[in-house]
Amino acid sequence: AQSVTQLDSQVPVFEEAPVELRCNYSSSVSVYLFWYVQYPNQGLQLLLKYLSGSTLVKGINGFEAEFNKSQTSFHLRKPSVHISDTAEYFCAVSVWKTSYDKVIFGPGTSLSVIP
Amino acid sequence: DVKVTQSSRYLVKRTGEKVFLECVQDMDHENMFWYRQDPGLGLRLIYFSYDVKMKEKGDIPEGYSVSREKKERFSLILESASTNQTSMYLCASSLPGNLKAFFGQGTRLTVV
Repeated sequence: AQSVTQLDSQVPVFEEAPVELRCNYSSSVSVYLFWYVQYPNQGLQLLLKYLSGSTLVKGINGFEAEFNKSQTSFHLRKPSVHISDTAEYFCAVSVWKTSYDKVIFGPGTSLSVIP
Repeated sequence: DVKVTQSSRYLVKRTGEKVFLECVQDMDHENMFWYRQDPGLGLRLIYFSYDVKMKEKGDIPEGYSVSREKKERFSLILESASTNQTSMYLCASSLPGNLKAFFGQGTRLTVV
C-alpha cells in the first residue's frame, strides 16, 4: 500500500522569502508524484507532477519540486513567495493499474504568506 | 478547459436523511472520483469509477454508495446521513493513464 506524509501542517513565511514544503512517501512499487494547490474556497488544481526523467520538475507559478528516490521525498520549493501563494498544498502519489489510476493524498500543508 | 461541476456548494441535511451529491464533467473522462476532505487528514478516497456502471471502493466507503449511469455524471449517495459525515466533498475526473485530475469546487455538507 502507498502512503504520503507531509511533515508540516502549517508553514508561515514572510513575503519574498523562500519556502520548502516537505513530502515523503512510502510504496513498494514505482509511483507517480504530484503537488496540488487549493486556494481558499476553491477545488484543487495541479501544480506539477513527476512521472519519469529529470528529477527536478518545474510547475506553475514559479514552483518546483525535486524527486529523491533514495529518500522517498518530493519536496516543493519556491525561491520567493507572494501573498497570492497563501493556500493549502497537497502532495499526492499515484499507481497506475490496468484500467484506472488511484491517487492518494497527503494531509496537506497550509502555507500562510505574511506581508 | 475541463469543467467539473458539483451541484451544490453548501448543503445542510438532517441525521438519517438520504443525501445525493451530484458531479458532472464535460470532457468525456473515463475516471471519476469522490473524496472527502477533513482538516489534518487531507483528501480521502471514498469511491471511484473508471467506466459507466463500474465502481471501486476507495479507502473509506462505509456509509456511502455511488452511481454512474452516464459517463459524465457520478453521484455520491449517503444512505442515512450521520453527523460524522459532515465534511467537504470533492469530485474529480481524469483520463486513464493521464494522471492529472481535475477537481470540482467542492460541496460543504453539514449534517445536523
